Amino acid sequence: NAGVTQTPKFQVLKTGQSMTLQCAQDMNHNSMYWYRQDPGMGLRLIYYSASEGTTDKGEVPNGYNVSRLNKREFSLRLESAAPSQTSVYFCASSEASWASGNHEQYFGPGTRLTVT
Amino acid sequence: AQSVTQLDSQVPVFEEAPVELRCNYSSSVSVYLFWYVQYPNQGLQLLLKYLSGSTLVKGINGFEAEFNKSQTSFHLRKPSVHISDTAEYFCALRGGSYIPTFGRGTSLIVHP
Repeated sequence: NAGVTQTPKFQVLKTGQSMTLQCAQDMNHNSMYWYRQDPGMGLRLIYYSASEGTTDKGEVPNGYNVSRLNKREFSLRLESAAPSQTSVYFCASSEASWASGNHEQYFGPGTRLTVT
Repeated sequence: AQSVTQLDSQVPVFEEAPVELRCNYSSSVSVYLFWYVQYPNQGLQLLLKYLSGSTLVKGINGFEAEFNKSQTSFHLRKPSVHISDTAEYFCALRGGSYIPTFGRGTSLIVHP
């Protein structure tokens, strides 16, 4: 199992450009998440998808959109990149089953994005 | 509302010394608690978790944590650290929703 994969690993954008960050998991998890990590700020939730077909805003959704393409894939789109979106982006997934007790998240390796 | 407070942003320690990373939480419902570790330039991985039962939880790499409901704490400990334990450590909780709450992280720096 590959776990959670993210592409690309690194990206440099100019202000105003758009891009999509891809995330896929092969663990048949129901829930998927996008976070950004900035120095001293910990992890901040951008969007999440509790199950296939649903998406919801997290703490910092402005400037982003998401698509839960199917159960495996959850993409994050920056329509018009800004320097404030320079960050490391992590995708995570979780079975999120109260019945099974499996609540931990599995994280991808991250995408390091710089917007100039 | 729920929250996680990691009391130290940075903890320097010498190799082979014991270490404790502190985590306090607040929640109006029962919670599940987690510690994750992030090595440089990597994603987070689970170190240990408390769901129920014994309040002392053992994890990977010799770490353990104790759930204290009365003090709403979940401190992480290791009796003897190695250089390879240098990393960022995150405490997290999950209450009644799909959204976990993370602390801001504690940077453990192990000196030779």
